[in-house]
Amino acid sequence: EIVLTQSPATLSLSPGERAALSCRASQSVSSFLAWYQQKPGQAPRLLIYDASNRATGIPARFSGSGSGTDFTLTISSLEPEDFGDYYCQQRRLWPITFGQGTRLEIK
Amino acid sequence: EVQLVETGGGLIQPGGSLGLSCAASGFTVSSNYMNWVRQAPGKGPEWVSVLYTDGSTYYADSVKGRFTISRDNSNNMLYLQMNSLRAEDTAVYYCARGRELTLDFDFWGQGTLVTVSS
Repeated sequence: EIVLTQSPATLSLSPGERAALSCRASQSVSSFLAWYQQKPGQAPRLLIYDASNRATGIPARFSGSGSGTDFTLTISSLEPEDFGDYYCQQRRLWPITFGQGTRLEIK
Repeated sequence: EVQLVETGGGLIQPGGSLGLSCAASGFTVSSNYMNWVRQAPGKGPEWVSVLYTDGSTYYADSVKGRFTISRDNSNNMLYLQMNSLRAEDTAVYYCARGRELTLDFDFWGQGTLVTVSS
């Protein structure tokens, strides 16, 4: 099973700052990596697929990069609505796995 | 508009059975890869099962032999039959559509809570 390790566990930043969230895979997932945002009481929302492609309706301040085992989700300038939990997910190998998440908090 | 609505969650004793339903609208279930994903309290999501367009199914090892995914094409519904439930199956269960015949998940329901406890 591919283990996805996200860091940091918690990130405290202010609106307007830049956020960089990391996801590291225990073996190569090529570019088959997605990122999701989740707010309390809501389902996850797809942000990025195939490592660097924004999903429909996702603002341009969200970008993804990386391939193989190291990936980054960058939010260029944080808006108040960006705070929440973020998860990475791989579909390269069975079983599909998710990371344990990064909580993005308002500083 | 794409919409997924899950029903059927509740409190069930260990060893019991429960069936979840997911009503889809705005797209055709049988033309998409349909999934169940669960999330235990305070944890990240965990993929549970997929039903492909050709009818083939796959399960996480943690539920294999106990859970069954199925669909009703005429009513555009997805189901998850859960047997021999365990405390560790306690979670919010989401149905989720695979994006463009992949296993990223572009639409999710609001989820239904399953609590396994005596």
